[in-house]
Formats: sequence, structure tokens, C-alpha cells
Amino acid sequence: AQKVTQAQTEISVVEKEDVTLDCVYETRDTTYYLFWYKQPPSGELVFLIRRNSFDEQNEISGRYSWNFQKSTSSFNFTITASQVVDSAVYFCALSPYGGRGFKTIFGAGTRLFVKA
Amino acid sequence: DVKVTQSSRYLVKRTGEKVFLECVQDMDHENMFWYRQDPGLGLRLIYFSYDVKMKEKGDIPEGYSVSREKKERFSLILESASTNQTSMYLCASSTGTVGYQPQHFGDGTRLSIL
Repeated sequence: AQKVTQAQTEISVVEKEDVTLDCVYETRDTTYYLFWYKQPPSGELVFLIRRNSFDEQNEISGRYSWNFQKSTSSFNFTITASQVVDSAVYFCALSPYGGRGFKTIFGAGTRLFVKA
Repeated sequence: DVKVTQSSRYLVKRTGEKVFLECVQDMDHENMFWYRQDPGLGLRLIYFSYDVKMKEKGDIPEGYSVSREKKERFSLILESASTNQTSMYLCASSTGTVGYQPQHFGDGTRLSIL
């Protein structure tokens, strides 16, 4: 079975705090892709990052960083020095690699509130 | 930039009505998707299509159908709307192999069935 668990339903932080959003996934496939999306209050999900299962290097993009660990089936997302504009719902997603007929499975999402 | 446009931002319909939700993308993407988003459940796939006139059931297709007569347009149809179909509906598109490329989403349609 394929599954994505985001155990944190809501997180509230004060501006400039660091915050980590957890993502744990389950899959029997050896090749798969992991994604993070951001959904601001406007509603449109925005793609943040994609990782394939063979690349466990951590990635940093400005204040955002991602930690992928196959050993624990986790793909966590850290925002450093959070800002009010980071307030959004964040979704982690899993896609098994393949052609037609393969679906992306989304987690339930984590709502992040960043207070000024 | 890819633009995915959903025809309505908010929609109110009555039970038993046939409801059409329209989605258009402007980047010649092969794949298009319909999801519903409910609190605590994340996004659940209703249907997707990887080519014109092709469709595949997602996880929750019951009570819905889709139509893809042109590559840029993917319609979701609620055959006989019920109150448990009140939800946020999101359309998305992607190119290439399904699941590999990131999806581009519309702003969503918040549908209320009274």
C-alpha cells in the first residue's frame, strides 16, 4: 500500500523561528518520487520540490531545506527564520515511478501559522 | 508559466442537480487531474486523463464522471449532486510520464450542495 502521513495537523510559530514539517511515507516500490507543495490562502497549490528515491542528498533553497532519509522513510521540510508569508498548508506527496495509471498520493497536509 | 483555470471559484447547487466543473490548461499538457480536498483528508484523486478521450478512475470516482474532448479541457460532472459532495475541487495538469513531473493546479472551486 502507498501512504503518506503528515502527523502535524497545525503548527503555530512566531516569525523568525525555525519550523520543521514532518512527512513519512510507505511504499513497496524501489523507484518513486516525493514532492512538497504549498497551498497559500489563495488556494492554488504551488510545487516546491521533487526528489527521486535514488537521490538522498539534502537540498537547500534559500530559507527552505529538505531532509530525505530512506532508512526512516521520511522527507521532512524545514523553514528557517519563518516569515508571515510562509503561512499556508503544506502537502507532502508520493508518486511511484511509471507510465500511465500511476497516481500521486497526497498527505493530509500541515497548516502552518506564522505570527508576526 | 502554466495556467490552469477553473471556471468558477464558488458554486452553489441543489441536491439532484447535474453539475459541471470546467478546467482549462494552456500549456499543452497531456495529463489532467481532478481532486477533491477535504479537511483532514488532504487531496483525493477522483479521475485523471493522460490523453484526449482517455480517462482513468482515481480513488473516489463514485458519483462523478469526466469528459476530455479536447486536450486543454477536462470537465468533472456530478451526475446527481448530493450534500456529501460539498467540497473544494482542484484541477491539475502535468506533462510527460504521470507521476514524474510536478502538477500545476488551478485555484479551486468551492462547491456547496444544498
